[in-house]
Amino acid sequence: GAVVSQHPSRVICKSGTSVKIECRSLDFQATTMFWYRQFPKQSLMLMATSNEGSKATYEQGVEKDKFLINHASLTLSTLTVTSAHPEDSSFYICSASYRGSYNEQFFGPGTRLTVL
Amino acid sequence: GESVGLHLPTLSVQEGDNSIINCAYSNSASDYFIWYKQESGKGPQFIIDIRSNMDKRQGQRVTVLLNKTVKHLSLQIAATQPGDSAVYFCAEKGGSYIPTFGRGTSLIVHP
Repeated sequence: GAVVSQHPSRVICKSGTSVKIECRSLDFQATTMFWYRQFPKQSLMLMATSNEGSKATYEQGVEKDKFLINHASLTLSTLTVTSAHPEDSSFYICSASYRGSYNEQFFGPGTRLTVL
Repeated sequence: GESVGLHLPTLSVQEGDNSIINCAYSNSASDYFIWYKQESGKGPQFIIDIRSNMDKRQGQRVTVLLNKTVKHLSLQIAATQPGDSAVYFCAEKGGSYIPTFGRGTSLIVHP
């Protein structure tokens, strides 16, 4: 149980376009979802936390107008990278937790974004 | 600011050996620690966790040791296998429900 999926697994886009990444909890209701960014050979950097039905809380230094997060349902959160540029190329990972799983986060498989 | 760090960025071992991956943390308020395994191109996978009221916890082939006196955490993998090759992250929680990830250690297992 507690499976999280991401779609797409990898995406290549041109500079200036917007890209949407989906994060779904397949067998549980995710009250909270987290979005991370990871550069090669580096640790995970938390970008934002979203609770279902409310606005996301962004970490310091993360542009909320650049990285749009929508947690519209208990099983789906989306991250949209707007007007993507090559420096946005990274590995984006989501995770989810449910009410009562205070200490557990379930991670998705990640999405590799390459901006040309 | 307070952070979680790792001593060794890369650890190479022979198949069958025991591996020890270390992690230092600086937030004395941390009360929960987690080890994750991340294979190349994949998301982190939960391995084992430990609460601050414990100093040792064992799983299948893995043991986590916590030394609160020196703020040190370690992950021991017994009889390391090639499939254990990955990056291992420690993470800690203290007050916030959001974990802070350490830098990561790359474990390379040679057959």
